[in-house]
Order: sequence, then C-alpha cells, then structure tokens
Amino acid sequence: QVQLVQSGAEVKKPGASVKVSCKASGYTFTSYGISWVRQAPGQGLEWMGWISAYNGNTNYAQKLQGRVTMTTDTSTSTAYMELRSLRSDDTAVYYCARGNAASYDTWGQGTLVTVSS
Amino acid sequence: QSVLTQPPSASGTPGQRVTISCSGSSSNIGSNTVNWYQQLPGTAPKLLIYSNNQRPSGVPDRFSGSKSGTSASLAISGLQSEDEADYYCAAWDDSLNALFGGGTKLTVL
Repeated sequence: QVQLVQSGAEVKKPGASVKVSCKASGYTFTSYGISWVRQAPGQGLEWMGWISAYNGNTNYAQKLQGRVTMTTDTSTSTAYMELRSLRSDDTAVYYCARGNAASYDTWGQGTLVTVSS
Repeated sequence: QSVLTQPPSASGTPGQRVTISCSGSSSNIGSNTVNWYQQLPGTAPKLLIYSNNQRPSGVPDRFSGSKSGTSASLAISGLQSEDEADYYCAAWDDSLNALFGGGTKLTVL
C-alpha cells in the first residue's frame, strides 16, 4: 500500500537547523510530487512548499523563502525538508504528503520538531 | 488569520446533518478546486473530498462537498460519534501557494 514514513522527533536550539526525511513506498516515487505541511501546537495546517519528485522543481511558501530547502533522493524514494535558523515559533509537527495543488491523498505520520533553548 | 475562512466550531447530534462552510476569494476557491481533510485527534490529516465533490475510495458517501463561486461546503449526513474531528478546507491560490482554512472542530453531542 502507498505509505510515507517520516523520521523521528527532533529537539533543536534556536538558530539551529533540522532536516526531516520522508520515505515513500508502494508507488512510483517520481510520478508524484511531495508537499510539506506543518501544524503548530493547537493550531491549524500551514503549507510549506512542494517538490517535484520527477525533476526536483520546488515551490516554497513566501514566508519561509530563504530558510527552507526541499530535496529528493530518487534512489531511495525519500524526500527531505531542511529548515534553518530555527525559532521558537517553528515548533510544530511537520508532515509530508503526496500530491500538489492542495490535494494530498497520502500523509506521513508527522515529525515533532521542538525548538527550545 | 487564514485566507480561507471556516467557522471555528460546529456541532450536531447523532444522525443529524451538519455543514461546514469555507469562504475564499476569486484567486483561490473562485478559480481552483476545493479539497477537504479530516483530522482525528493525534493523527495526520486524511483526504476526505477532492476536486470540490469527489470522494476517495473508502470515504463513506455520508460525506459530500460542494462549491459555488468563492465558497465551498462540506456536508456530513447521518452524523456518527466517530466523525468528531477537526475539518480543514484547502485550495490552491493563483499566487502559487496552497491555502488551508483555519479548521472547524466538529463536536458530536
């Protein structure tokens, strides 16, 4: 079955970077894009951006431009999201999801990133 | 504040029909399709409705979606206790961003 499995929880200090992985299985990885969505504690969903697993093209949310990088490794069917210069308000559960244009049919289980001094 | 506007809460009794609204603008709902997600407590969101009114395989037909102009609605008929969850609308915006509504917490009384 189609599945996205994410890496485990992270605790980071302000100013540090975090890299979350998302391993896909059960489908042809390069046939779909991967989007990243985050959810701060008790808050709603926030779109972070998208990467084409076919050619690596990316589209990032304006508020994260310059701090976020999304990549893929087609040899392992894994997508990555790196967020730099972490702040306390980056504390959130980070999800990868298959799809694009706000339509995501499969989601990872989520990765909690806590930013605290 | 989200660009897509949803009521923060909704409620109903078992068996009832409830609707959740989602209001946007001409650059998002007005020109692109709407999707709905269900998020049960402590879990990842799940695609409930895509392309305004299509249900993925496995989603009961108690769930239906509609869109008119710059607004959309999710309807749940025959409300069940397991429908208690947060519901989010989402749409692509012509500014090349995906937008989510602020979410609606559905309580089954």
